[in-house]
Amino acid sequence: AQSVTQLDSQVPVFEEAPVELRCNYSSSVSVYLFWYVQYPNQGLQLLLKYLSGSTLVKGINGFEAEFNKSQTSFHLRKPSVHISDTAEYFCAVTPVGKTSYDKVIFGPGTSLSVIP
Amino acid sequence: DGGITQSPKYLFRKEGQNVTLSCEQNLNHDAMYWYRQDPGQGLRLIYYSQIVNDFQKGDIAEGYSVSREKKESFPLTVTSAQKNPTAFYLCASSQSGPTITPYEQYFGPGTRLTVT
Repeated sequence: AQSVTQLDSQVPVFEEAPVELRCNYSSSVSVYLFWYVQYPNQGLQLLLKYLSGSTLVKGINGFEAEFNKSQTSFHLRKPSVHISDTAEYFCAVTPVGKTSYDKVIFGPGTSLSVIP
Repeated sequence: DGGITQSPKYLFRKEGQNVTLSCEQNLNHDAMYWYRQDPGQGLRLIYYSQIVNDFQKGDIAEGYSVSREKKESFPLTVTSAQKNPTAFYLCASSQSGPTITPYEQYFGPGTRLTVT
């Protein structure tokens, strides 16, 4: 079984400052990793994903994440945030290797608040 | 444009009444999902369906029912047996099959259900 931990439930940051949202996972098998963003009262939108290859993954809106297998982490970063980045961010994993169903495990989410 | 639609966006019901939430997709995806979202708890899987006329219980299926008579549609019924139905409900879809990666899920805008 897999599990996802997002240690920070809320992260306030000033506009134009850098931000890191932390994600750690637990799994006995290899996983694919995802970050989703949810704006208020909306559905989730994929920011980026790690499948294989380079451990540094770039996504939309200037976000990037780095996969660290030894630390089982997949932290999300942005060098300079904007007011429009205020949203809920979810880390998710799914096991590599198809069985009978796409099981995606979501973390509890981190609420990013960008302060003007 | 391809996507997922959920209706209505807000729904109010009296306790003891069944209510059906609509989910339609035109992405030609085989798999569809229903999630429940509560503050601070991330997303929890209610039901999923990999093909038409087949669906499986997720982690919190009690008090819910679904049908999958068409590939495009996956309605969710919240029954009176659901003890705490007030929540934000998200529908998602993805491609499915052993050769399909990366299991990315596409989400609808959600339905906020309030039961009083």
